[in-house]
Amino acid sequence: DGGITQSPKYLFRKEGQNVTLSCEQNLNHDAMYWYRQDPGQGLRLIYYSQIVNDFQKGDIAEGYSVSREKKESFPLTVTSAQKNPTAFYLCASSQTSGLVEQFFGPGTRLTVL
Amino acid sequence: GEDVEQSLFLSVREGDSSVINCTYTDSSSTYLYWYKQEPGAGLQLLTYIFSNMDMKQDQRLTVLLNKKDKHLSLRIADTQTGDSAIYFCAESIAGKLIFGQGTELSVKP
Repeated sequence: DGGITQSPKYLFRKEGQNVTLSCEQNLNHDAMYWYRQDPGQGLRLIYYSQIVNDFQKGDIAEGYSVSREKKESFPLTVTSAQKNPTAFYLCASSQTSGLVEQFFGPGTRLTVL
Repeated sequence: GEDVEQSLFLSVREGDSSVINCTYTDSSSTYLYWYKQEPGAGLQLLTYIFSNMDMKQDQRLTVLLNKKDKHLSLRIADTQTGDSAIYFCAESIAGKLIFGQGTELSVKP
């Protein structure tokens, strides 16, 4: 089955620790995205990558880092510099031209204690 | 600037029609989208409309686009309890999607 997976579903960390969220896709999509979702605020773009070994900051990149060493994988690290990291994180992938339908993973809920 | 606005809540009775509205700002968007999010899950594409169309119908879903007013709407006919979810509209700009805040649809039996 083709799709996009995120793990884990729930993640708990202590304040001050870095944590890495996994995102993998087998849809052969060039582009991948990370969003943060908070209640009543919709989705806000953290980082995106349109090709391997290249990525761009989105609207709220501060306190986050990413890498894109493989086409299938786009891990997100939430660093201790992120002031309010508790949120629902969604990863997506898409083609880069024409109808840009983004396919979403199931999300990771991160809680920082 | 880029901004997509939606009302936050809508409540309807089962069997009624639901209409979810959205306004956007960038007239150069090629496609406009409606996504559905069920509790604790990712988003799924419901439908989309090309910017040179005024209307698109897909079974119980009707999308209306008013480019002059930059207004997009999603009508769900014969709304069922399984339609309860958050609905996001989105516009595409430079390969990225800009999402509204989401409208939480509550369907009462």
